[in-house]
Amino acid sequence: NAGVTQTPKFQVLKTGQSMTLQCAQDMNHNSMYWYRQDPGMGLRLIYYSASEGTTDKGEVPNGYNVSRLNKREFSLRLESAAPSQTSVYFCASSYVELGTANSPLHFGNGTRLTVT
Amino acid sequence: TQLLEQSPQFLSIQEGENLTVYCNSSSVFSSLQWYRQEPGEGPVLLVTVVTGGEVKKLKRLTFQFGDARKDSSLHITAAQPGDTGLYLCAGADSGAGSYQLTFGKGTKLSVIP
Repeated sequence: NAGVTQTPKFQVLKTGQSMTLQCAQDMNHNSMYWYRQDPGMGLRLIYYSASEGTTDKGEVPNGYNVSRLNKREFSLRLESAAPSQTSVYFCASSYVELGTANSPLHFGNGTRLTVT
Repeated sequence: TQLLEQSPQFLSIQEGENLTVYCNSSSVFSSLQWYRQEPGEGPVLLVTVVTGGEVKKLKRLTFQFGDARKDSSLHITAAQPGDTGLYLCAGADSGAGSYQLTFGKGTKLSVIP
């Protein structure tokens, strides 16, 4: 049971380059999320997809785009990478909305991105 | 904007000692979750508390949700090196249809053998 799978695990980009981070979950979850984690800042929500076919901005969406390709897959795209986007990116999924007791977040193991 | 303040930010203790981590806010949450994150991995859920005053135990870990649902604590009894990690609390907004959690910045715990 793989859970949430993220690729790649590590990436180095030069300023201005683009890339797409891939995420897939095999738990039949409805909702998927992209977070970034920075020292001293905690986890911050970039975008989320409450259900297949919908996406919404989170706390820090600038510089990113997302695609909910199907129920399993949710990708994050950096069109023109900047050094400020150096971070660890986590994809997560949940069965239903997060306010319910039985719907925690399931996280992948992250993508460590460095932009030089 | 809702904020969750975690304290302490760092904690280094000897094996066998007890410790408490706090998670405080001025906002009310419908539920609060605690996660543990180990280096190189994503956070993993430990517990969800929903009812004000609720206490949940997970082996040597005791979680409490404040009566007013604004704060929570995590108490570890007889800490072991395997407890080392980053502990995160996360609050969910009241009401249905909420897809955003407010995360604290975490408490980094080191348990020295």
